[in-house]
Amino acid sequence: AQSVAQPEDQVNVAEGNPLTVKCTYSVSGNPYLFWYVQYPNRGLQFLLKYITGDNLVKGSYGFEAEFNKSQTSFHLKKPSALVSDSALYFCAVRALLSGNTPLVFGKGTRLSVIA
Amino acid sequence: GAVVSQHPSRVICKSGTSVKIECRSLDFQATTMFWYRQFPKKSLMLMATSNEGSKATYEQGVEKDKFLINHASLTLSTLTVTSAHPEDSSFYICSARTSGSGGTQYFGPGTRLLVL
Repeated sequence: AQSVAQPEDQVNVAEGNPLTVKCTYSVSGNPYLFWYVQYPNRGLQFLLKYITGDNLVKGSYGFEAEFNKSQTSFHLKKPSALVSDSALYFCAVRALLSGNTPLVFGKGTRLSVIA
Repeated sequence: GAVVSQHPSRVICKSGTSVKIECRSLDFQATTMFWYRQFPKKSLMLMATSNEGSKATYEQGVEKDKFLINHASLTLSTLTVTSAHPEDSSFYICSARTSGSGGTQYFGPGTRLLVL
């Protein structure tokens, strides 16, 4: 069975400071990992994904995420947070060779960037 | 990235009526689409997986006769909420996956349904 844990419901960070949103996963076989962002009353926007290759993945809006196989983690990071980054962030996973199975989502982490 | 549209963005209806929500992949073909429901301040709950030309696969606890899903083409899936009741009020989001084992799921903007 696949699962995703986002241990923090809320993350607060000052504008200009680095931010980290945590994610750990459990999957049989190699994982296919995603981060999505959701603004109020909107659908999810794709930020980045990891399939294979470099453990550090760069995505949209200056975000990046680091895949750590030994810790089964895929934390989302940004060197300098903006107020406009305030949103709900979802981590998701599925097994790489799982056919048509859908992504499994974490419960989401609300990021608040304070000016 | 790929674009998924959803229509309508917002709908208000009376209890007992049916509502159809359309989901389209605009610049790619999607053999698989997914329908999610999101409650306030909650994560996404998968309702069903829709495969083009075949019956949808519903998650446990989702009534297939109430939430009718049709995936008639590679770019269109519809969700019909039949005989809607106030408890069906929610935010419904569709998703379409690009082809290949490494396909990415892209999401529509969502439909806010309010049943009076």
